[in-house]
Amino acid sequence: KQEVTQIPAALSVPEGENLVLNCSFTDSAIYNLQWFRQDPGKGLTSLLLIQSSQREQTSGRLNASLDKSSGRSTLYIAASQPGDSATYLCAVMVGGTSYGKLTFGQGTILTVHP
Amino acid sequence: KAGVTQTPRYLIKTRGQQVTLSCSPISGHRSVSWYQQTPGQGLQFLFEYFSETQRNKGNFPGRFSGRQFSNSRSEMNVSTLELGDSALYLCASSLAAGAYGWGTEAFFGQGTRLTVV
Repeated sequence: KQEVTQIPAALSVPEGENLVLNCSFTDSAIYNLQWFRQDPGKGLTSLLLIQSSQREQTSGRLNASLDKSSGRSTLYIAASQPGDSATYLCAVMVGGTSYGKLTFGQGTILTVHP
Repeated sequence: KAGVTQTPRYLIKTRGQQVTLSCSPISGHRSVSWYQQTPGQGLQFLFEYFSETQRNKGNFPGRFSGRQFSNSRSEMNVSTLELGDSALYLCASSLAAGAYGWGTEAFFGQGTRLTVV
């Protein structure tokens, strides 16, 4: 059974810092890994998708890496801003017949203060 | 391009009643998945539909059911509501959720907040 763990559970930093959020998963037979952000009471916004054959993806100030063999992914946020405050979730899609099923971590609650 | 639309946004129901939630995927997307989010359990997969067929189902009781229409719109139904069914229900759409993960990037709606009293 796939399990996803995110560390840390919560993070509070001053504006301008560079951040690293961690995600680990137990079954390396994944199709892809996706990072999301969720604002309070809202849905999930897709940030980055990394296919299993890729090592990293970048979008603006965000960079995500994937090491399938060790079951780890990191999300790097450069020059953090108060608007980055949200819960960040990673999710993996396992191969085989697990159609449409994402397995999520519990999330990292990020607070960036001015 | 419109995103994933879920209706209604908020619902309050009484124990024992049933409820139907609706999800309209992004135009051209054929796969729709449903998730339940609670503070204690986080996000849990309910089921996935593709071309009107349920292809995958999570570990939820039979009170939770769904369907997909020919235009890819999906509904989920919860019968005999329990207090523990109070949650944010999220719908995600993707192009295909096909072989080797092709077309599987998931896009979520804003959710339906269900409160059972």
